[in-house]
Amino acid sequence: KQEVTQIPAALSVPEGENLVLNCSFTDSAIYNLQWFRQDPGKGLTSLLLIQSSQREQTSGRLNASLDKSSGRSTLYIAASQPGDSATYLCAVLDTGAGSYQLTFGKGTKLSVIP
Amino acid sequence: SAVISQKPSRDICQRGTSLTIQCQVDSQVTMMFWYRQQPGQSLTLIATANQGSEATYESGFVIDKFPISRPNLTFSTLTVSNMSPEDSSIYLCSAESNSGNTIYFGEGSWLTVV
Repeated sequence: KQEVTQIPAALSVPEGENLVLNCSFTDSAIYNLQWFRQDPGKGLTSLLLIQSSQREQTSGRLNASLDKSSGRSTLYIAASQPGDSATYLCAVLDTGAGSYQLTFGKGTKLSVIP
Repeated sequence: SAVISQKPSRDICQRGTSLTIQCQVDSQVTMMFWYRQQPGQSLTLIATANQGSEATYESGFVIDKFPISRPNLTFSTLTVSNMSPEDSSIYLCSAESNSGNTIYFGEGSWLTVV
């Protein structure tokens, strides 16, 4: 069974710093990997989607990398802003046994201090 | 922590029919959400299921196509109406802890419309 782990569970940084969030997964036979942000009381917002054949995706100040063989992904946030404060979730989509299964990590709660 | 039971986990549906997906949480939660993930695309928020009132739909999703019920704080349903092959997706239920610190996910419902 796929397991997704996110480290750290919480992170507090001063505004302007660059930071890295980590995600690891146990079964490398994934279809894709996604990063989301969650603000309290709101649904998930999709940030980046990396297909299994891709190594990285970029959107603005965000860059996500994927190393399938080692079961790792990182989300890099450049020049952090207070508005980046949220919980960031990593999820992998598996296609094993002819079915699709989404597995989420427990998230990293990011606080950016002005 | 909360446990979310979602069913059916998988179904094959005929074009033009409707299917209702159920989501049961083992504790009372304030916020519940419904998502869709079409093949090759990222997870997309359909709506927020509000207890005792109409769901709040995201842009591109309408109540006639995706009616949602939320009769109490532990249960919600999503109906996919008049299905077409384009509705073939994973549909995912999610709930947020009352403190807003934790997000829980169902295991998803994989619908194939033929």
